[in-house]
Amino acid sequence: AIWMTQSPSLLSASTGDRVTISCRMSQGISSYLAWYQQKPGKAPELLIYAASTLQSGVPSRFSGSGSGTDFTLTISCLQSEDFATYYCQQYYSFPFTFGPGTKVDIK
Amino acid sequence: QVQLVESGGGVVQPGGSLRLSCAASGFTFSSYGMHWVRQAPGKGLEWVAFIRYDGSNKYYADSVKGRFTISRDNSKNTLYLQMNSLRAEDTAVYYCAKDGSVGTDLSAFDIWGQGTMVTVSS
Repeated sequence: AIWMTQSPSLLSASTGDRVTISCRMSQGISSYLAWYQQKPGKAPELLIYAASTLQSGVPSRFSGSGSGTDFTLTISCLQSEDFATYYCQQYYSFPFTFGPGTKVDIK
Repeated sequence: QVQLVESGGGVVQPGGSLRLSCAASGFTFSSYGMHWVRQAPGKGLEWVAFIRYDGSNKYYADSVKGRFTISRDNSKNTLYLQMNSLRAEDTAVYYCAKDGSVGTDLSAFDIWGQGTMVTVSS
């Protein structure tokens, strides 16, 4: 199975900040990477797929980059509604796997 | 609108069985691969199982292989997860999720249900 690490696990930030979350894979996955946002008590929501393609309806302050083993999610100007947990996911091969998550909370 | 609604969760004793359902609406269910994903209380997401749009191909996480069975009824727009030999570590919210693309098994999940809670406890 392909494993991933996410860093940081916890990110304290303020509204308006630019934040970056990293996801590193145990082996190359081309661009078969997605990012999800999850708020407490809610289902995850797709933000980014194919490493850098913004899902329809997702604000343009979210962006993704990377390929192979190293990926990044960037929120250019953090809004109050962005405080949540973020997960990366590889869908390059089964079993699909998720990163351990990065919680973005209020500084 | 596009919607997935899970049902069938509940409390079951260790070693017991449970069948989850996921009713789909608002899209052509028979064209998309479907997944089950779970989340233990306070923990991260764990992919559980996948079934191809026509049921011809299935994959499972090692943690559930041989105990869980994914299936679908395209005439009823419904996805299922049969869970047998349940263990305490299967306690989680179970989500169904839809593939974002057709024509491939390798796709991100663009629509998720609200989840159904399964508790395995004596």
